[in-house]
Amino acid sequence: EPEVTQTPSHQVTQMGQEVILRCVPISNHLYFYWYRQILGQKVEFLVSFYNNEISEKSEIFDDQFSVERPDGSNFTLKIRSTKLEDSAMYFCASSESWDSRSNTFFGQGTRLTVV
Amino acid sequence: AQTVTQSQPEMSVQEAETVTLSCTYDTSESDYYLFWYKQPPSRQMILVIRQEAYKQQNATENRFSVNFQKAAKSFSLKISDSQLGDAAMYFCAYRSGETSGSRLTFGEGTQLTVNP
Repeated sequence: EPEVTQTPSHQVTQMGQEVILRCVPISNHLYFYWYRQILGQKVEFLVSFYNNEISEKSEIFDDQFSVERPDGSNFTLKIRSTKLEDSAMYFCASSESWDSRSNTFFGQGTRLTVV
Repeated sequence: AQTVTQSQPEMSVQEAETVTLSCTYDTSESDYYLFWYKQPPSRQMILVIRQEAYKQQNATENRFSVNFQKAAKSFSLKISDSQLGDAAMYFCAYRSGETSGSRLTFGEGTQLTVNP
């Protein structure tokens, strides 16, 4: 069964460093998302991406964050200068179409720890 | 803005018994979709079931079914014949049908324990 894959599964970084989280969405999916889950809290939307541009972003997604689809398969989330409060589980997700009838499938997540 | 509320932080059930997880939501939209996601200890988010707001019939997926009360804005998940593998965090989520490709809005989650 096709799945969304994320790498790495766990990333530890020093405060102030840049990190790139990587995702390979399901191959025929056209819409991509990043969500964040701080430990013990709800899952929060960060950004959606379609046709090589951001479709929607939340108030969390400030100038420290950026997304990119550098090639035909990868979808990345970059945090330019990490802060302690960026420590969280980051989920990549994808859906087949823009139509809300299409389900959203999640990757297994990347646990980011900022020290 | 839409909100999703899960008022049960924790629930427990005996193996083979039935449990119901509650979810309420608030929206002014008439076209939307509701979901239950399961998050086991591995932390991956797994889709359990979805419900279209325009459908009166409650969705079912094997042992999982929902009780969708549109007027009350309630969307509960019933798990029948609970199994040890059902133990997980369960999130209720809302997605607009009026804004294409819109975000999922999640509730706070309910931690389900299944006792042998």
